[in-house]
Amino acid sequence: GAGVSQSPRYKVTKRGQDVALRCDPISGHVSLYWYRQALGQGPEFLTYFNYEAQQDKSGLPNDRFSAERPEGSISTLTIQRTEQRDSAMYRCASSRPPQGFFNEKLFFGSGTQLSVL
Amino acid sequence: QKEVEQNSGPLSVPEGAIASLNCTYSDRGSQSFFWYRQYSGKSPELIMSIYSNGDKEDGRFTAQLNKASQYVSLLIRDSQPSDSATYLCAVKRSGGYQKVTFGIGTKLQVIP
Repeated sequence: GAGVSQSPRYKVTKRGQDVALRCDPISGHVSLYWYRQALGQGPEFLTYFNYEAQQDKSGLPNDRFSAERPEGSISTLTIQRTEQRDSAMYRCASSRPPQGFFNEKLFFGSGTQLSVL
Repeated sequence: QKEVEQNSGPLSVPEGAIASLNCTYSDRGSQSFFWYRQYSGKSPELIMSIYSNGDKEDGRFTAQLNKASQYVSLLIRDSQPSDSATYLCAVKRSGGYQKVTFGIGTKLQVIP
């Protein structure tokens, strides 16, 4: 596709349910990032991948959050036993760093708005 | 101390004026600096990147970097109402470490 695709666009769930958020990056992009953005705040780093390898998961809030990118393309962010405080916009971004890792432009998807009731 | 600090604003400037947006960062190992623009209800989009001390100009936008002071700024000349958005400062550490950390963003309002 032409851009980063995220699905679903909106997700409403009940507290205690598990949710899976999907990200399809721009074709050929090596790096994939997950961010969480609350209203009026900047994107909060969660985790990132290079190819299928999860390079940094230091931003995942707790062990209810996990992410995978098994074939180095599509990624899934899973939140188990959701809580109301998990409600936010979850954004995925991809990039293809050129040699030297400089000029790393992130291309963001439209996000998944998660509401936990 | 937050890794990237910005004043949340709003910053209001009249049309045609210069808007000055500021950002400080805490990690002296940061090597790459970015300004993203985010319109209300939309996703962030990159407008400027800077890696060396000094100024970098692109059209009406000028990014300024001072690593000694750990300070990054964005100047928007001849501000237009279409520039009204939230401007996010982002930084990345050196080498292969690719975590990109964002500030809270400064909301800019350009008044016609």
